[in-house]
Amino acid sequence: DAGVIQSPRHEVTEMGQEVTLRCKPISGHDYLFWYRQTMMRGLELLIYFNNNVPIDDSGMPEDRFSAKMPNASFSTLKIQPSEPRDSAVYFCASSSGTEETQYFGPGTRLLVL
Amino acid sequence: GENVEQHPSTLSVQEGDSAVIKCTYSDSASNYFPWYKQELGKRPQLIIDIRSNVGEKKDQRIAVTLNKTAKHFSLHITETQPEDSAVYFCAANGGSYIPTFGRGTSLIVHP
Repeated sequence: DAGVIQSPRHEVTEMGQEVTLRCKPISGHDYLFWYRQTMMRGLELLIYFNNNVPIDDSGMPEDRFSAKMPNASFSTLKIQPSEPRDSAVYFCASSSGTEETQYFGPGTRLLVL
Repeated sequence: GENVEQHPSTLSVQEGDSAVIKCTYSDSASNYFPWYKQELGKRPQLIIDIRSNVGEKKDQRIAVTLNKTAKHFSLHITETQPEDSAVYFCAANGGSYIPTFGRGTSLIVHP
């Protein structure tokens, strides 16, 4: 397996633009997590899915953020409109229900100007 | 929910010395405690984990200890090397499959 795949790896955009981050989890994993990492706040859990269903989105900072998982092999995190304070590294991770280890993707480095 | 505190936030050691990172957790239901290593610009990766039915686990130069009564667990790295320099995160699962991460410890190993 290629591991968790994320795209794009880097994104530079202007304030007010829509940003879409993409993730392909490891095949067979039934949990998918979206994290945001900054120096100030560390690693924050934004939302997680189990069997494609959003279970807990209490970490989503505000209504500008939304996440979907239309099938077991694809998820998106959307920010609309983006703001400079959204600049961070966004990680997607997946795990299986039988093994709790989380496997992280390479991350998307987002810079909002 | 679970709350994980991690100390120190920064740890600087000389090559060959030992390094210890400590974490405390709040939820007695936690039964799985992983440690992740994140090198600069890279993704977090699991380096070792321990379950609540075990008090200590070793893997070459790294070891983790768990004290369930006191609700704390520690990562021990012996004979540190420059390639051990990274940010280390502890986590506790609160009895679920969802880990709560500590804030991380930046370990710097000076040659």
